[in-house]
Amino acid sequence: EVQLVESGGGLVQPGRSLRLSCTGSGFTFGGSAITWFRQAPGKGLEWVGFIGSEAYGGTIQYAASVQGRFTISRDDSKSIAHLQMSSLKTEDTAVYYCSRGSGWCDYWGHGTLVTVSS
Amino acid sequence: EIVLTQSPGTLSLSPGERATLSCRASQSVSSSYLAWYQQKPGQAPRLLIYEASTRATGIPDRFSGGGSGTDFTLTVSRLEPEDFAVYYCQHYGSSTRAFGQGTKVEIK
Repeated sequence: EVQLVESGGGLVQPGRSLRLSCTGSGFTFGGSAITWFRQAPGKGLEWVGFIGSEAYGGTIQYAASVQGRFTISRDDSKSIAHLQMSSLKTEDTAVYYCSRGSGWCDYWGHGTLVTVSS
Repeated sequence: EIVLTQSPGTLSLSPGERATLSCRASQSVSSSYLAWYQQKPGQAPRLLIYEASTRATGIPDRFSGGGSGTDFTLTVSRLEPEDFAVYYCQHYGSSTRAFGQGTKVEIK
């Protein structure tokens, strides 16, 4: 069974950093792109960025709203991807999801809540 | 930047009825890069349709997608109780991805 599990969310003050993790199982993690999305409370879905598989050069792309502040990485030996978030703003408050794929995404984690507040 | 506009914002229907959801792009997009997702409260989105008209694994055939250019449609032929949810369209381009604002399908 394909599973993706996010972790690392929590309450953080504006300007601080936080790292989210996404652990995959039940599929060839190293052969899959991983995409991060977020959803602010009561709002719609927003693409954050993705990291391609190493076989496709490990391409990384970010949404303009997080470019320069967020960094996506992966460790295929551990079937884990990370979303390093820095210089956090209150508007980054959201549930963060990781998913499999780079375009359409067929499996999603349950999400982890990040609250940016003083 | 491609903007996706979904309509209507809310669709009030009864079980057994047909639901037709619209997604309009601000410029022509390839059908290969259009997907639809369903999201229920407190749950992650679920992929329904990709490449505009291909059902994802395990998706019932009452769900169908179509369209091209700037106008795309998701149709649920006969609504089941579990189909009442929010639906999002998504475009996946070469350097960005965009979602529509969502259509809520609620029980009338």
